[in-house]
Amino acid sequence: KQEVTQIPAALSVPEGENLVLNCSFTDSAIYNLQWFRQDPGKGLTSLLLIQSSQREQTSGRLNASLDKSSGRSTLYIAASQPGDSATYLCAVRRSGAGSYQLTFGKGTKLSVIP
Amino acid sequence: KAGVTQTPRYLIKTRGQQVTLSCSPISGHRSVSWYQQTPGQGLQFLFEYFSETQRNKGNFPGRFSGRQFSNSRSEMNVSTLELGDSALYLCASSPILAATYNEQFFGPGTRLTVL
Repeated sequence: KQEVTQIPAALSVPEGENLVLNCSFTDSAIYNLQWFRQDPGKGLTSLLLIQSSQREQTSGRLNASLDKSSGRSTLYIAASQPGDSATYLCAVRRSGAGSYQLTFGKGTKLSVIP
Repeated sequence: KAGVTQTPRYLIKTRGQQVTLSCSPISGHRSVSWYQQTPGQGLQFLFEYFSETQRNKGNFPGRFSGRQFSNSRSEMNVSTLELGDSALYLCASSPILAATYNEQFFGPGTRLTVL
């Protein structure tokens, strides 16, 4: 059974700091890994999708890496801003024909202090 | 292009009642998945539909059921509500089932409170 762990559970940083969020998964047989952002009481916004054959993806100030063999992914946020405050979730899509099922970590709650 | 929409956004029910939630996927998307989010358990997969057929099901009791219509819209139903069913229910859509590169797009969720 796939398990996804995110460390730390919460993180508080001053504005402008670069930071790294960690995600680990137990079963390396994945199709892809997706990072999401969730604002309080809201749905999920997809940030980055990394295919199992890829090592990293970048979008603006965000960079996500994937090391499938070790079961780890990191989300790097450069020059953090107060608007980045949210909960960040990673999710892996399991291998297997015909399924989009995602297994989620419990998230890292990020607070960026002005 | 409109995103995933879910109705209603908020619901308050009492124990023992049943509830139906609705999800309209992004136009052209044929796969719809449902997730339950609670503070204790996080996000958990409920079930997944493609072309009106349930393709995958999570580890939830039979009180949780769903269906998908020919226009890809989906509904989920929870019967005999329990206090523990209070949660944010999220729906996600994807274009087609077979392609591995596709990502899921989530709706805003329905907040269900069971009293």
